[in-house]
Amino acid sequence: AQSVAQPEDQVNVAEGNPLTVKCTYSVSGNPYLFWYVQYPNRGLQFLLKYITGDNLVKGSYGFEAEFNKSQTSFHLKKPSALVSDSALYFCAVRDLNSGYSTLTFGKGTMLLVSP
Amino acid sequence: KAGVTQTPRYLIKTRGQQVTLSCSPISGHRSVSWYQQTPGQGLQFLFEYFSETQRNKGNFPGRFSGRQFSNSRSEMNVSTLELGDSALYLCASSLVGVEQETQYFGPGTRLLVL
Repeated sequence: AQSVAQPEDQVNVAEGNPLTVKCTYSVSGNPYLFWYVQYPNRGLQFLLKYITGDNLVKGSYGFEAEFNKSQTSFHLKKPSALVSDSALYFCAVRDLNSGYSTLTFGKGTMLLVSP
Repeated sequence: KAGVTQTPRYLIKTRGQQVTLSCSPISGHRSVSWYQQTPGQGLQFLFEYFSETQRNKGNFPGRFSGRQFSNSRSEMNVSTLELGDSALYLCASSLVGVEQETQYFGPGTRLLVL
């Protein structure tokens, strides 16, 4: 069965500093990996995804993620954090052996950016 | 393009009642998935519909059901509500539901069961 782990419940970073939100995955086949962000009382907003190709994926709002197959990781990064980036971040995975549209989510990481 | 819409946004029900939630996907999207989000269990997959057929189902009791209409709009129903059904219910749509597609989420319906 596929699974996703987000080892940190919360990440704290000062505005202007780089940020990293960690994600590791376990799938039986090739992984399709996604990052979503959730603001309070809102649904999930898509940030970026890895399907194939370049291991560095660029997404919305200046976010990027690095796919590392040997470490089974897909960490979310941003060079310079903004206070408005404070939100709940979810990593998710699908693989070719799963059902069609099932996304398996990590438990989420709260990102707090201080001014 | 308009995003995924969900109605109602908030609901308060009592135990034993039933509830119906509605989801309108992005225009042209034919796959609709439902997820339940709770603080304790996180995000859990309920079911997925494509062309009016349930194609995939998560590990939820039979009290949770859904359907999809010919215009791809979907509804989910929860019968005999329990306190533990209090959650944010999220709907997501994608074109045809294959693995590499992005699922786009609606704002959710927050259900409180008293």
